[in-house]
Amino acid sequence: GAGVSQSPSNKVTEKGKDVELRCDPISGHTALYWYRQSLGQGLEFLIYFQGNSAPDKSGLPSDRFSAERTGGSVSTLTIQRTQQEDSAVYLCASSTSAGTLNEQFFGPGTRLTVL
Amino acid sequence: KQEVTQIPAALSVPEGENLVLNCSFTDSAIYNLQWFRQDPGKGLTSLLLIQSSQREQTSGRLNASLDKSSGRSTLYIAASQPGDSATYLCAVRVSGSARQLTFGSGTQLTVLP
Repeated sequence: GAGVSQSPSNKVTEKGKDVELRCDPISGHTALYWYRQSLGQGLEFLIYFQGNSAPDKSGLPSDRFSAERTGGSVSTLTIQRTQQEDSAVYLCASSTSAGTLNEQFFGPGTRLTVL
Repeated sequence: KQEVTQIPAALSVPEGENLVLNCSFTDSAIYNLQWFRQDPGKGLTSLLLIQSSQREQTSGRLNASLDKSSGRSTLYIAASQPGDSATYLCAVRVSGSARQLTFGSGTQLTVLP
């Protein structure tokens, strides 16, 4: 595809429900990143995938958050037992490699609202 | 821990003015610095990427500079237009094994017609 795509664009859920957010990176990009943008918190790193290596999960805020990347392409971010503080825009980015050049290209984001 | 600060938080200028947005970071050990634009309700659009070995990058009316030793970068916008109105974010990738970007909180720019 032409760019990073994410779905859904908006998600409203009730507290306690699980949600899945999807990211399709740019074709050929081996590195994929998830970030969260909250009001008053700015953009925070969540998790990073590079090829078949173990993901860097150091930014995940709790064990309710998990992500997987199937076949080195599409990624799914799962939030279990959602809380109101999980409300944010979740952004996905991809880059060609994890080398020093890795310019990151972002998708449009998924706006999550937990009622 | 790397911290990135952007000043001012908001800026309003009349159309046609040249302007400078500032970004500072606390740890000079970086691989690169990236400037983004974010329109309301949208994702991030990459504007410029400066490698740690570079001093500046230019794209059209935009020029970004990097002074790694002092932990500063500026984004210069020439002849501003109302369409430049957006939030501008700078982000650094620190040296070492980490691959993620650390972001500043952004400068919200309004260019008045």
